Amino acid sequence: SAVISQKPSRDICQRGTSLTIQCQVDSQVTMMFWYRQQPGQSLTLIATANQGSEATYESGFVIDKFPISRPNLTFSTLTVSNMSPEDSSIYLCSVVWADRPNQPQHFGDGTRLSIL
Amino acid sequence: AQTVTQSQPEMSVQEAETVTLSCTYDTSESDYYLFWYKQPPSRQMILVIRQEAYKQQNATENRFSVNFQKAAKSFSLKISDSQLGDAAMYFCAYRSGYGGATNKLIFGTGTLLAVQP
Repeated sequence: SAVISQKPSRDICQRGTSLTIQCQVDSQVTMMFWYRQQPGQSLTLIATANQGSEATYESGFVIDKFPISRPNLTFSTLTVSNMSPEDSSIYLCSVVWADRPNQPQHFGDGTRLSIL
Repeated sequence: AQTVTQSQPEMSVQEAETVTLSCTYDTSESDYYLFWYKQPPSRQMILVIRQEAYKQQNATENRFSVNFQKAAKSFSLKISDSQLGDAAMYFCAYRSGYGGATNKLIFGTGTLLAVQP
């Protein structure tokens, strides 16, 4: 199976700063998704990263706070902007492969983000 | 809107015993997929098992099986011969069958499973 790499795996940041998380897949994928998992909580979809166009955001999430890029079929970034302690979460990317659109989503290892 | 409910925040099982984790969901759709994911402390989300709503037969993957009751909108996970490595948070998830891969996963709140030696 393909490998999904997320970087960084964890970080501690100061409030008011921004951090960009990278998701790299070693094969072309149809869809890439970004989820947030707040401490002790379930996963909530932030947005769908669309290749070559603007991401599709879920209710409650906005592009100014969580800008997303997807320059090609194997790579995406999520930026958490102007961070506050409430942004302390695990951020996960997930993918669906181009030749297996009805298969389950597969997840990266996640980025654990703590804001002081 | 679809919802997924896991009513057991925590469960415990003795090693080698069997445990069942509960999940119910609400949807008006007829075509959908249901999943169980496992998240150990390493935080990686690992697919355990998958069920297509149009299939009446319950899915099975080695020691893991589901009891899918479509009319009752119930999707429980049974873990047989529990092992220490099964200890993790388990999430039930729903995905619409319409629109293919573009549909998001809707997760339940999770059940933390402890396995006692």
